[in-house]
Amino acid sequence: DAGVIQSPRHEVTEMGQEVTLRCKPISGHNSLFWYRQTMMRGLELLIYFNNNVPIDDSGMPEDRFSAKMPNASFSTLKIQPSEPRDSAVYFCASSYWGDEQFFGPGTRLTVL
Amino acid sequence: AQSVAQPEDQVNVAEGNPLTVKCTYSVSGNPYLFWYVQYPNRGLQFLLKYITGDNLVKGSYGFEAEFNKSQTSFHLKKPSALVSDSALYFCAVRPPSSNDYKLSFGAGTTVTVRA
Repeated sequence: DAGVIQSPRHEVTEMGQEVTLRCKPISGHNSLFWYRQTMMRGLELLIYFNNNVPIDDSGMPEDRFSAKMPNASFSTLKIQPSEPRDSAVYFCASSYWGDEQFFGPGTRLTVL
Repeated sequence: AQSVAQPEDQVNVAEGNPLTVKCTYSVSGNPYLFWYVQYPNRGLQFLLKYITGDNLVKGSYGFEAEFNKSQTSFHLKKPSALVSDSALYFCAVRPPSSNDYKLSFGAGTTVTVRA
């Protein structure tokens, strides 16, 4: 298995632009998690899905952030409009129910 | 609510010496505990987990961890550290609920192993 796949690996954009991050979980996994990592705040859970249904989005910073999981093999995290303070590394992880999570390589987002 | 504390921001050891990374947790009920490692510019990698059973858990790369319920601790250990073990280590906990899969991560401990 290729593991969790994230794209793009790097994204540089200007303030106000829309950003879409993509994730393909490991085949057979039914839980998917979006995290954000910064030096200041460490690793934060933004949202997670079970069987494509959002379970907990309490970590989503504000309405500018949205996440979808239209099917078991694909999820997106969208930021619209983006702001410089959104600059971070965004990780997607998947697991089989509540077992250990497998992380993707991350997307490094820079908002100028 | 569950939480994890990693009391040391940094741990420095010489190659060949024992390595310990400390973790304490707070959760209702019997915890599910995990250790992850993150190398520079990489995602987190799973090392080991405690769900139930033997308090001493063995994981990847020669690491092990001991679950101590009375001290609510889950310290990560390696008998002989390698330079390649230098990385950022995270402890995580989640409650045993079958409906809540959210992990709470510690702030991380940076391990530096000097040659």
